[in-house]
Amino acid sequence: EDKVVQSPLSLVVHEGDTVTLNCSYEVTNFRSLLWYKQEKKAPTFLFMLTSSGIEKKSGRLSSILDKKELFSILNITATQTGDSAIYLCAVEPRLGSGGSNYKLTFGKGTLLTVNP
Amino acid sequence: DTEVTQTPKHLVMGMTNKKSLKCEQHMGHRAMYWYKQKAKKPPELMFVYSYEKLSINESVPSRFSPECPNSSLLNLHLHALQPEDSALYLCASSHGGRWQPQHFGDGTRLSIL
Repeated sequence: EDKVVQSPLSLVVHEGDTVTLNCSYEVTNFRSLLWYKQEKKAPTFLFMLTSSGIEKKSGRLSSILDKKELFSILNITATQTGDSAIYLCAVEPRLGSGGSNYKLTFGKGTLLTVNP
Repeated sequence: DTEVTQTPKHLVMGMTNKKSLKCEQHMGHRAMYWYKQKAKKPPELMFVYSYEKLSINESVPSRFSPECPNSSLLNLHLHALQPEDSALYLCASSHGGRWQPQHFGDGTRLSIL
């Protein structure tokens, strides 16, 4: 059974701090790892990582995947109160043909609270 | 607002009622999904439709009945639900072929009385 473990489960920081969120996984036939941010409604897509060692970056957020050690980190620099949310990590297995088998397995999420 | 639209946003129903949740996307995505999310838990996959055909049913009770009338629409028909079915129901869609992520709607918050 595929498994995703996120740490820490919750984190409280002050504005301006840098945070690192962790995601380790076990999956049969790995295809991709995804990060989502969830505030009160829809999880919103942040990054999709498929290759090891390549950093994806968007503004103050960045993420990297280590396929050998089976983990990913999500970094947020200069945090703002608007970064307060649950950050979800998910892994996507692949079919033998290389396509997606559609079944995302999510971790329990990291609840990030950024205080002013 | 997301590009995946779900209606209604909130629904309260009794255990004997029949209701439907609706999901729509116009991104040309060929895969559509229903997830159930309880408070403080991650989303759990219920159903996947690929090219308008049901491809995955995660052993969901028959009181939940999905329907995909066309490539843009996904419904979830509800009948004789239990109080433990109260949750946020999320719809998602994805291209289904290329390296594209699933995109989620804002969800329907369902309460069963």
